[in-house]
Amino acid sequence: GAVVSQHPSWVICKSGTSVKIECRSLDFQATTMFWYRQFPKQSLMLMATSNEGSKATYEQGVEKDKFLINHASLTLSTLTVTSAHPEDSSFYICSARRLAGEITDTQYFGPGTRLTVL
Amino acid sequence: AQSVTQLDSHVSVSEGTPVLLRCNYSSSYSPSLFWYVQHPNKGLQLLLKYTSAATLVKGINGFEAEFKKSETSFHLTKPSAHMSDAAEYFCVVSKGDYKLSFGAGTTVTVRA
Repeated sequence: GAVVSQHPSWVICKSGTSVKIECRSLDFQATTMFWYRQFPKQSLMLMATSNEGSKATYEQGVEKDKFLINHASLTLSTLTVTSAHPEDSSFYICSARRLAGEITDTQYFGPGTRLTVL
Repeated sequence: AQSVTQLDSHVSVSEGTPVLLRCNYSSSYSPSLFWYVQHPNKGLQLLLKYTSAATLVKGINGFEAEFKKSETSFHLTKPSAHMSDAAEYFCVVSKGDYKLSFGAGTTVTVRA
């Protein structure tokens, strides 16, 4: 149990276009999902917290108009990178916190999406 | 603020020998601590977690970690390394509000 999927697994786009990444919890409900960014050979940096039915909260330094997050249901959150530029190229990872049955802060991670902006 | 420091960026061991990955934490309250593993082109997998129950935490694949409050440490160990243990390992602390703060990571290589 506790499987999280991401789609697509990798994407290449032209500079100036927008890219949408989906994060789904496949076998549980998640009121909270998180989006991370990981540069090569580096650690994960939390970008934003996605809350079902409400606005996402962004970490300091993350442009909310650049990285649009929508959490429309208890199993789906999307991250849209708007007007992408080469510096947005990165590995984007989502995680989900189970709605019930967890007494700790355990998060279940998706496999990640590799974004390359040309 | 809650944070973790992984003391080794790279650890190399021979197959069959013990593995030790060191992690120190900084927290203003009793933290939740985790170790995650990331294999190439795969998602992060939870190895184990500490939640103020037992100080010695057993995880998957033979890994365990010991929470030592006096040393503010949460080191990860495995008695006998396997080739499949080659991966990136992250020590993680909960920052509150269910947010996680990741250490810089330790790359483990296993020599045959």
